[in-house]
Amino acid sequence: QLQLQESGPGLVKPSETLSLTCNVSGASISSSIYYWGWIRQPPGKGLEWIGSIYYTGSAYYDPSLKSRVTISEDTSKNQFSLKLSSVTAADTAVYYCASQHFLTVAFDYWGRGALVTVSS
Amino acid sequence: SYVLTQPPSVSVAPGQTATIACGGNNIGSKRVHWYQQKPGQAPVLVVYDDRDRPSGIPERFSGSNSGNTATLTISRVEAGDEADYYCQLWDSSSDHPGVFGGGTKLTVL
Repeated sequence: QLQLQESGPGLVKPSETLSLTCNVSGASISSSIYYWGWIRQPPGKGLEWIGSIYYTGSAYYDPSLKSRVTISEDTSKNQFSLKLSSVTAADTAVYYCASQHFLTVAFDYWGRGALVTVSS
Repeated sequence: SYVLTQPPSVSVAPGQTATIACGGNNIGSKRVHWYQQKPGQAPVLVVYDDRDRPSGIPERFSGSNSGNTATLTISRVEAGDEADYYCQLWDSSSDHPGVFGGGTKLTVL
């Protein structure tokens, strides 16, 4: 069974870069079976897709965030990461990492989520 | 970008049937997934590819998709079904394929 766990700072200053890591167990992130995605949820609001990466290195990003987002993989640690630059208070949210089986591309397994607050 | 539209709220009495709609342009030609999210918890996939259920999801949860509307149906609603529900699809024809609907709060009266 796949398990995912987000980690990273819970507080980031405005204009700085938010960095989160998702540790994956139960599958290799190098596998062709899965995409790996990031989703966020601002307090009291709905789910927002941030982006996804495939084992080939191909990455897809939400257009509203594309200029500030990078998703990458670290196969040696079986992790994938999210970097969001130039953050503002509007980036305060719970950030989830999730797997997407390549056949359905649904988000089938999720991490518990990590709250990141942007504040000075 | 592709837009998915959901009603903000749906209310239903216990034992009745709840239907949650997800609207989109020609959504019937795409594969829609549904998630349940309870307060303070991560979302859970309850229906994928319009109508299939992951292991462990009760048969009371079903889905359909045609024309401009996909629908999640919950039969014999229980108090424990009260949650937010989100539709989602992957628009493979787009370079930004991930899309979520705005979510629907299901209230069990």
